[in-house]
Amino acid sequence: AQSVTQPDIHITVSEGASLELRCNYSYGATPYLFWYVQSPGQGLQLLLKYFSGDTLVQGIKGFEAEFKRSQSSFNLRKPSVHWSDAAEYFCAVGAKGNTGKLIFGQGTTLQVKP
Amino acid sequence: DTAVSQTPKYLVTQMGNDKSIKCEQNLGHDTMYWYKQDSKKFLKIMFSYNNKELIINETVPNRFSPKSPDKAHLNLHINSLELGDSAVYFCASSQGRGPNEKLFFGSGTQLSVL
Repeated sequence: AQSVTQPDIHITVSEGASLELRCNYSYGATPYLFWYVQSPGQGLQLLLKYFSGDTLVQGIKGFEAEFKRSQSSFNLRKPSVHWSDAAEYFCAVGAKGNTGKLIFGQGTTLQVKP
Repeated sequence: DTAVSQTPKYLVTQMGNDKSIKCEQNLGHDTMYWYKQDSKKFLKIMFSYNNKELIINETVPNRFSPKSPDKAHLNLHINSLELGDSAVYFCASSQGRGPNEKLFFGSGTQLSVL
């Protein structure tokens, strides 16, 4: 069955420090992978996505993610975190079939210390 | 203009009542979704429509009934509300229905059943 696991429920980093949010997936073929961000009281916004090609993908707001097939991972990174990055981050995989359905991980809450 | 708008933003009601949440998208997308986010922030799909046709109907109680009068609108009606229905409900849309689709989310409706 397709699934997504985000091992870290909550992460706190200092402003200006680097960030890595972990995501592992279970999928029978080449996955379609996404990272979404949810700011407090808001809907989700797409940060980046991976379908094929270069395994390092760039997104909005200075985020990037690397697809590693051997580790079934799609970790999100940012070299220098800003206070405005505090939010909930969701990794997701596109479900097989022609439905548009996304299967989400449990989410990681990012807190940024001044 | 908000791309995906849903109303109301907050809904507080008593057990046993019937309520509706409305969603509209002005992106010209063909596919619309309802997702439920529980108190642990876990997101799970409920329904999806493509050009007014129901294409996803997850294991949701019959008390929940989606309606799509046209492809720009997807409403969610809930009968006989229960305490466990308390959650944040997100509407979303996408251009197509493949596993690589970018979803655009509304800002959510926080439903509290007392």
